[in-house]
Amino acid sequence: EVQLLESGGGLVQPGGSLRLSCAASGFTFSSYSMNWVRQAPGKGLEWVSVVGTDGRTIFYADSVKGRFTISRDTSKNTLYMQMNGLRAEDTAVYYCAKHNRHGRDYFDAWGQGTLVTVSS
Amino acid sequence: AIQLTQSPSSLSASVGDRVTITCRASQGIGSALVWYQQKRGKTPNLLISDASNLESGVPSRFSGSGSGTVFTLTISSLQPEDFATYYCQQFTNFPLTFGGGTKVEIK
Repeated sequence: EVQLLESGGGLVQPGGSLRLSCAASGFTFSSYSMNWVRQAPGKGLEWVSVVGTDGRTIFYADSVKGRFTISRDTSKNTLYMQMNGLRAEDTAVYYCAKHNRHGRDYFDAWGQGTLVTVSS
Repeated sequence: AIQLTQSPSSLSASVGDRVTITCRASQGIGSALVWYQQKRGKTPNLLISDASNLESGVPSRFSGSGSGTVFTLTISSLQPEDFATYYCQQFTNFPLTFGGGTKVEIK
């Protein structure tokens, strides 16, 4: 069974930093691109970033480019997101999401999410 | 970035009703569109891939159609467990984008 377990969320002041982690199990982590998708309270879904299986093919949403850095550690089956320069509008539940089994750019498994709150 | 516009943003329907949700893309995306269902407090669940392919385990009352810029998700006979928010997502290029969502509520 695919399991994705996010951690690292919390309350942070504007301009601060957080590092999110997503521990993966139940599938061959190294074989799938991995993503972060966020959802502000009461709002819709927003794709944030993807990292390919090589760890170097990376894309970001314009809203986070230059502030967030996605990475993966295949030896630990873990996905990361380093978030710097946080803003109030970054407040959201952050989901780790696995690319579908055909390698297409949509998601067939999601973690339960970790809440990031940016507030003074 | 490709914009996806869903309509309506919300609807009220009764059990047994036929429900149709539309997703319009700002430019042609072929069939590179999927649909998710998200129930309150839960994570999204993939329903339809490639605009019209029903995912394994998804009830046959769900169907998708369309290509290019206009897509629809249809629930042929709404069931109590279908009350949720539905999102479309395009995967033709990055950044990946979602529609704003359609909340299906009980009438």
